[in-house]
Amino acid sequence: NAGVTQTPKFQVLKTGQSMTLQCAQDMNHEYMSWYRQDPGMGLRLIHYSVGAGITDQGEVPNGYNVSRSTTEDFPLRLLSAAPSQTSVYFCASSYGAALAKNIQYFGAGTRLSVL
Amino acid sequence: LAKTTQPISMDSYEGQEVNITCSHNNIATNDYITWYQQFPSQGPRFIIQGYKTKVTNEVASLFIPADRKSSTLSLPRVSLSDTAVYYCLVGAGNNNDMRFGAGTRLTVKP
Repeated sequence: NAGVTQTPKFQVLKTGQSMTLQCAQDMNHEYMSWYRQDPGMGLRLIHYSVGAGITDQGEVPNGYNVSRSTTEDFPLRLLSAAPSQTSVYFCASSYGAALAKNIQYFGAGTRLSVL
Repeated sequence: LAKTTQPISMDSYEGQEVNITCSHNNIATNDYITWYQQFPSQGPRFIIQGYKTKVTNEVASLFIPADRKSSTLSLPRVSLSDTAVYYCLVGAGNNNDMRFGAGTRLTVKP
């Protein structure tokens, strides 16, 4: 059981470049989300999805786009990377959207550096 | 969303019991309390969840007083491998937006 898989594990971008961070889960979870974690800080929610075709903004959505065309995949797009987006990105999924009652399963993270 | 307050860091020694308290004064009636653990270079993982009184699993215990304005995560007989950041989250059953605070950085020393 792979759980939540994130690719790539590491990425270096130049300012202005675009890229997509991939996230896939094989647990048939309804809910998926993206967080970023900066050094010494907790996780901040970027975007989330309560099901295929439905997405919503979290705490820090600016500079990021998401889509949810299938239950399994929830890619995060950086249209024009900025140094402020240098961070570690985590994808998570949960069986239900009622997060207080449902465990979130996290991927291993993508470490992104924007030069 | 209920705001949570935890100590920034704690130190302990192997074999000791560690108690990490989380304050959530404005917790709502239908809010649950959930704790996650994060090791360096890894994503957080679920430890324990509760609503009231005491919950125990193979990893930890969670104590919640009657007023639910705080909760205490108890780790029995910690080892070096318990060195991690521990996050307390509070949210309602229908809440789609769970926020992580800065967490408590626990360092277990030999």
